[in-house]
Amino acid sequence: GENVEQHPSTLSVQEGDSAVIKCTYSDSASNYFPWYKQELGKRPQLIIDIRSNVGEKKDQRIAVTLNKTAKHFSLHITETQPEDSAVYFCAASSRGGADGLTFGKGTHLIIQP
Amino acid sequence: DADVTQTPRNRITKTGKRIMLECSQTKGHDRMYWYRQDPGLGLRLIYYSFDVKDINKGEISDGYSVSRQAQAKFSLSLESAIPNQTALYFCATHDFYGYTFGSGTRLTVV
Repeated sequence: GENVEQHPSTLSVQEGDSAVIKCTYSDSASNYFPWYKQELGKRPQLIIDIRSNVGEKKDQRIAVTLNKTAKHFSLHITETQPEDSAVYFCAASSRGGADGLTFGKGTHLIIQP
Repeated sequence: DADVTQTPRNRITKTGKRIMLECSQTKGHDRMYWYRQDPGLGLRLIYYSFDVKDINKGEISDGYSVSRQAQAKFSLSLESAIPNQTALYFCATHDFYGYTFGSGTRLTVV
């Protein structure tokens, strides 16, 4: 089955700086890669996703890149703000997510004022 | 109103008891899922369903069972709860645009 590794487990950055979270996956059949943000005590919320026919996707301050050859994908957050503090999860799936997602273990992002 | 609703929000139960967690959705999605979240482990898939007649095991189905009573309802049961099933449980629905998670059920088995 799929295995997703996520690094780092904790990331502390100064407000206004950029943050990068990296994930690798094992199953070459995976074609759907979402990122979720989870605030303390809340449900995971989709912030951006990318499919295997695309190398990069941006949405305002958030971008995701995918390297299918190396089987890794990354989340980039620019101009970080205090409200970006949360736990971020990457995930991978084949069939566009229909058979469920395999999640990484999460990155606790801390934005220092 | 919440579009994926889980009940109860919190539950404490004793070892060996049978317990059911319920999930209902108003999104009209066919696909529904149960995930378990443990600290430091992310979310792991327990079961998923594409319709009332289609139930599939996920990564960690042992010790759990599910019932899809209708398109909108998907229940998770622990037949004989054990302490290492203490976790946060999320129900979710899925369509092309992604997953929608419920607010979660925090289950403690003592």
